[in-house]
Amino acid sequence: AQTVTQSQPEMSVQEAETVTLSCTYDTSESDYYLFWYKQPPSRQMILVIRQEAYKQQNATENRFSVNFQKAAKSFSLKISDSQLGDAAMYFCAYRSARGGGADGLTFGKGTHLIIQP
Amino acid sequence: DGGITQSPKYLFRKEGQNVTLSCEQNLNHDAMYWYRQDPGQGLRLIYYSQIVNDFQKGDIAEGYSVSREKKESFPLTVTSAQKNPTAFYLCASSGLGLYNEQFFGPGTRLTVL
Repeated sequence: AQTVTQSQPEMSVQEAETVTLSCTYDTSESDYYLFWYKQPPSRQMILVIRQEAYKQQNATENRFSVNFQKAAKSFSLKISDSQLGDAAMYFCAYRSARGGGADGLTFGKGTHLIIQP
Repeated sequence: DGGITQSPKYLFRKEGQNVTLSCEQNLNHDAMYWYRQDPGQGLRLIYYSQIVNDFQKGDIAEGYSVSREKKESFPLTVTSAQKNPTAFYLCASSGLGLYNEQFFGPGTRLTVL
């Protein structure tokens, strides 16, 4: 079974600065997908960014980028120019490519990101 | 607007009662999922379904049951056998295919008194 570990229960950053959230995972599979989801106080889950394991290039979405290190099984999220609206719980998630990728997601326990004005 | 609806938003039940949580999607997605969220635990997969009339157990299926009679609907029943049912429940759906993301509903907060 796969596991996802987020070692930072809480992080704090000043508005406009850069913060990196850590995620490691354990799997014996070679083909999979990784995701970062954001959950604001409304509790609505929002996809932030995703990465295919077969792609070496790190994914980017505007101010959000990842550092994907497949050999190290590491998938960190970098948020640049932090904004007050970035304050939320952030979850790292893994999805196997086995079975067409419909097996559901395995989530980490989350990192609570606080933005200091 | 396309999306996923879950009802009700808050649900209170007495211990020992079964309760059914509703999840409906109009995104024409084949796959649907139920997750449970507890404080400090992240989300854990309860059940999922890739096609009508078929579903699979997730990591924490004990004490739960589901049905998938229609493509749009995937109700979750929390039975009296679930030892600690108080939690936040999230429904999700996605198209089939490796790159398809899961879209989540707004969730239902279940409190068992």
